[in-house]
Amino acid sequence: AQTVTQSQPEMSVQEAETVTLSCTYDTSESNYYLFWYKQPPSRQMILVIRQEAYKQQNATENRFSVNFQKAAKSFSLKISDSQLGDTAMYFCAFMKPNAGNNRKLIWGLGTSLAVNP
Amino acid sequence: NAGVTQTPKFRILKIGQSMTLQCTQDMNHNYMYWYRQDPGMGLKLIYYSVGAGITDKGEVPNGYNVSRSTTEDFPLRLELAAPSQTSVYFCASSHPTGGFYGYTFGSGTRLTVV
Repeated sequence: AQTVTQSQPEMSVQEAETVTLSCTYDTSESNYYLFWYKQPPSRQMILVIRQEAYKQQNATENRFSVNFQKAAKSFSLKISDSQLGDTAMYFCAFMKPNAGNNRKLIWGLGTSLAVNP
Repeated sequence: NAGVTQTPKFRILKIGQSMTLQCTQDMNHNYMYWYRQDPGMGLKLIYYSVGAGITDKGEVPNGYNVSRSTTEDFPLRLELAAPSQTSVYFCASSHPTGGFYGYTFGSGTRLTVV
């Protein structure tokens, strides 16, 4: 069974600095999807970035980028130029691509990030 | 395009009462999900549906029921509410063209059972 581990329950960063959130996963699949979701105090779950396992190029969305290491089963999120609005819980998630899995996401327990002024 | 709409946003129930959490999506998504999120924890899957008329249990289905009579609606029923069901509930749906797009979430329902 697939598992997702986020080893940092809490992190903090100063505004304008860079922070990296860790995520590791366990799977025997060769193709899959990986996601980072953000949950600010408003509780809304927001998709931050996504990665297909067969694409070696790391995904980037503005200030958010990932370091995807397939062999190491690692999917870390880097936030550059941190802003106060980045304060949130961040969840890493895994999905097998085939519809037979009913597209269920496997979730990590989250990392609470505080951006300090 | 409203996305995924959940109602109500907040609710307080007494032990033993029942209620239905409503979830509607207007994106023609076949796959829909109900999650609960306990304080400081991740998401646990309660039930899911891969299309109208088809539902299946997730990790924590006890005390809940669902139905999927239309593509748009996926209500979650709580029977005989218990304090252990105090949580935030999220409904989500998955893009029909593939899982790569992840899920679209509703804004959540905060439920307190007293």
